[in-house]
Amino acid sequence: EVQLLESGGGLVQPGGSLRLSCAASGFTFSNYAMSWVRQAPGKGLEWVSTISGSGGSTNYADSVKGRFTISRDNSKNTLYLQMNSLRAEDTAVYYCAKVGTTVTTTGSFDYWGQGTLVTVSS
Amino acid sequence: AIQMTQSPSSLSASVGDRVTITCRASQGIRNDLGWYQQKPGKAPKLLIYDASNLQSGVPSRFSGSGSGTDFTLTISSLQPEDFATYYCLQDYNYPLTFGGGTKVEIK
Repeated sequence: EVQLLESGGGLVQPGGSLRLSCAASGFTFSNYAMSWVRQAPGKGLEWVSTISGSGGSTNYADSVKGRFTISRDNSKNTLYLQMNSLRAEDTAVYYCAKVGTTVTTTGSFDYWGQGTLVTVSS
Repeated sequence: AIQMTQSPSSLSASVGDRVTITCRASQGIRNDLGWYQQKPGKAPKLLIYDASNLQSGVPSRFSGSGSGTDFTLTISSLQPEDFATYYCLQDYNYPLTFGGGTKVEIK
């Protein structure tokens, strides 16, 4: 059974940093690209970032480029999102999601974690 | 970035109704589109991938169609558990972009 479990969310002041983790199990982690998707309170879904299975290729939304860094440790089956220079508008539930194909880094997200809440406020 | 225009933003329907939700892409995206269902406080769930393929375990009353710029999600006979918000997502290229969502409410 595929499981994705996020952690690391919390309250942080504007300008601060936070690192999210997503522990994966139930599939061959290194074979699949992984992504982060966020949802601000009461709003829709926003794609944040994707990393290839090997970790050699990354993509970011313009809204987080230069501030957020996606990475993965395939030996630990864990995905990360390092978030720096946080702003109030980064407040959201952050979901990790597994890409459903090994062929490409794009593709539908077939499994999602339960989400972790990040609140940026003074 | 490719813009995904989803309509309607909300709708009211009764159990047993046929429901149709559309997404229009600002440029052609082949069939690189997925449909997701989200219930309050829960993570999204994949319903349809590659525009028309039913994800494993999803009831057959859900179907998707379209290619290029115009896409449709259809629920053939709405069930009580289908009241939720639905999103489309283009995975043709980066940045990946979601539609604005359609909230399906009980009439």
